[in-house]
Amino acid sequence: DSGVTQTPKHLITATGQRVTLRCSPRSGDLSVYWYQQSLDQGLQFLIQYYNGEERAKGNILERFSAQQFPDLHSELNLSSLELGDSALYFCASSLRTGNGYTFGSGTRLTVV
Amino acid sequence: GIQVEQSPPDLILQEGANSTLRCNFSDSVNNLQWFHQNPWGQLINLFYIPSGTKQNGRLSATTVATERYSLLYISSSQTTDSGVYFCAVMIQGGSEKLVFGKGTKLTVNP
Repeated sequence: DSGVTQTPKHLITATGQRVTLRCSPRSGDLSVYWYQQSLDQGLQFLIQYYNGEERAKGNILERFSAQQFPDLHSELNLSSLELGDSALYFCASSLRTGNGYTFGSGTRLTVV
Repeated sequence: GIQVEQSPPDLILQEGANSTLRCNFSDSVNNLQWFHQNPWGQLINLFYIPSGTKQNGRLSATTVATERYSLLYISSSQTTDSGVYFCAVMIQGGSEKLVFGKGTKLTVNP
């Protein structure tokens, strides 16, 4: 167990729907990162939150949004889902910038 | 943006063999990590190694930051070592994201 908890582990949903992925960082870690892993794009950075504030943005679609709550857990919201959004979504956390990342076990999203 | 290239892309070994995986990167970095993605999809942190050498059991890693490469050594490989090995870097003075290479897929046969 890495200490980073992601739920759910698997999600199957239909096109056009909206889902929420949840991440609890390791105890004491202030930064949360979201990554998408698809077969054709590899591991891509989506967004980072640090202590509740958005810190950096990557190739995140406008249909996707995220937030980090006061207890430091984070949620990634994916809406108007398309077949191409099917992927593994990882959350990672770190104490501060430049420290090693620890990844959760991922949420496997299948859009049908 | 920074380029992270891993070689070889695929590697097939017999159990007990040794191997070296390489990661080249195109810019100065302040964070480099090696990860193992197992067949179930989990990303396991192997090393945080922006410079120098570290060892953990049968695995060791060396990063030569001035020459912009890192090596991951696997000795006496086991079937449980199978999976994809990723190198990921964070640029000095850049954003805080980790940029991943495309990975080396390792298959260890019994």
